Amino acid sequence: DQQVKQNSPSLSVQEGRISILNCDYTNSMFDYFLWYKKYPAEGPTFLISISSIKDKNEDGRFTVFLNKSAKHLSLHIVPSQPGDSAVYFCAAWYQGGKLIFGQGTELSVKP
Amino acid sequence: DVKVTQSSRYLVKRTGEKVFLECVQDMDHENMFWYRQDPGLGLRLIYFSYDVKMKEKGDIPEGYSVSREKKERFSLILESASTNQTSMYLCASSTGGETTEAFFGQGTRLTVV
Repeated sequence: DQQVKQNSPSLSVQEGRISILNCDYTNSMFDYFLWYKKYPAEGPTFLISISSIKDKNEDGRFTVFLNKSAKHLSLHIVPSQPGDSAVYFCAAWYQGGKLIFGQGTELSVKP
Repeated sequence: DVKVTQSSRYLVKRTGEKVFLECVQDMDHENMFWYRQDPGLGLRLIYFSYDVKMKEKGDIPEGYSVSREKKERFSLILESASTNQTSMYLCASSTGGETTEAFFGQGTRLTVV
């Protein structure tokens, strides 16, 4: 059973516009969430994280929003750049040391 | 900088072979993980380890085993490789605790023929 879900397999955005990637989770015990970015044939790299005691965390062009009541988080990229084209994974820490991931969303930023 | 190194970028093995995937990290991290990445399924956790000689099953441990004899090294073993184990395998490590990031290796693309 997928406890972290990214229901959009792909997203296409024009350069300069906002990219919004969504993630839903089912377990209210999750209390720390992360976003990773992955290019083909490379390992994922950490992008940004958020604790459940916050509802927003910002780092440059990247902002993560957390809505605990809806069990939903989103990653906003503003402005989007062609180099942002990659697969983005949402992840959550769970049960004393498990880090579990969603299915990923492939972002394509077109010039 | 944290470095997580996987021994091979690409491997081709035959069905039934015993396969070893090796992972080494250089930051004295307590936790180490093995994932596989498949299209549409994301990253799925196979096994993780929170200390030397300690291991826990992830979500898809069937057909795999692991070994952690030293803190810096975590090995994934395919006891008898099958074609449905063709995948991208990713190793990661992190410090103890659940408010930290995990660092990934570059991945091993395994093809079982």
